Amino acid sequence: GQNIDQPTEMTATEGAIVQINCTYQTSGFNGLFWYQQHAGEAPTFLSYNVLDGLEEKGRFSSFLSRSKGYSYLLLKELQMKDSASYLCAVYTGGYQKVTFGTGTKLQVIP
Amino acid sequence: NAGVTQTPKFRILKIGQSMTLQCTQDMNHNYMYWYRQDPGMGLKLIYYSVGAGITDKGEVPNGYNVSRSTTEDFPLRLELAAPSQTSVYFCASRRSEGGTEQFFGPGTRLTVL
Repeated sequence: GQNIDQPTEMTATEGAIVQINCTYQTSGFNGLFWYQQHAGEAPTFLSYNVLDGLEEKGRFSSFLSRSKGYSYLLLKELQMKDSASYLCAVYTGGYQKVTFGTGTKLQVIP
Repeated sequence: NAGVTQTPKFRILKIGQSMTLQCTQDMNHNYMYWYRQDPGMGLKLIYYSVGAGITDKGEVPNGYNVSRSTTEDFPLRLELAAPSQTSVYFCASRRSEGGTEQFFGPGTRLTVL
């Protein structure tokens, strides 16, 4: 089976840095995704990690440790528009199925 | 490209009614998915398909059926709607290569009363 855990909610200040953690347990690991979902909208892709280490993409970075079953999404220079839910997801069943965590709702305050 | 389109955007059903949620993609993606998202929760996989004529169950398939007669279309059928099926339904598609992201439709908001 598979299990994906994320904090339910986080609050951070505009201009600051926030780290959103994700731990997972899967039978066979083939990669981890991060998606952003604004309220009332569909999820949109942020990043994909399959090897250990940090992937940087502008203000957003994603880290993976396969041995620890752990990933985090790092958001720098927070903006009000970053207020959204952030969903961690992993491949299950080879590369066919994608299983999502419950998501972390981030609120950015002035 | 329109991407992934879903119809209808909103629907209210009475208990016991049936309906089909439509999903179409114009990106020639082999893989397509149906998820449901309850308020404040993540996405739960209902059914998925890896190509025309091939479908398989996800985590929460009970009460739903799917078909995939073409690459473009992946309709989701609800038979005998129940209040527990009140949710937002998202369709998604992606290429078959590993590491490719899913593209999501705008969602269908379904209420069963």
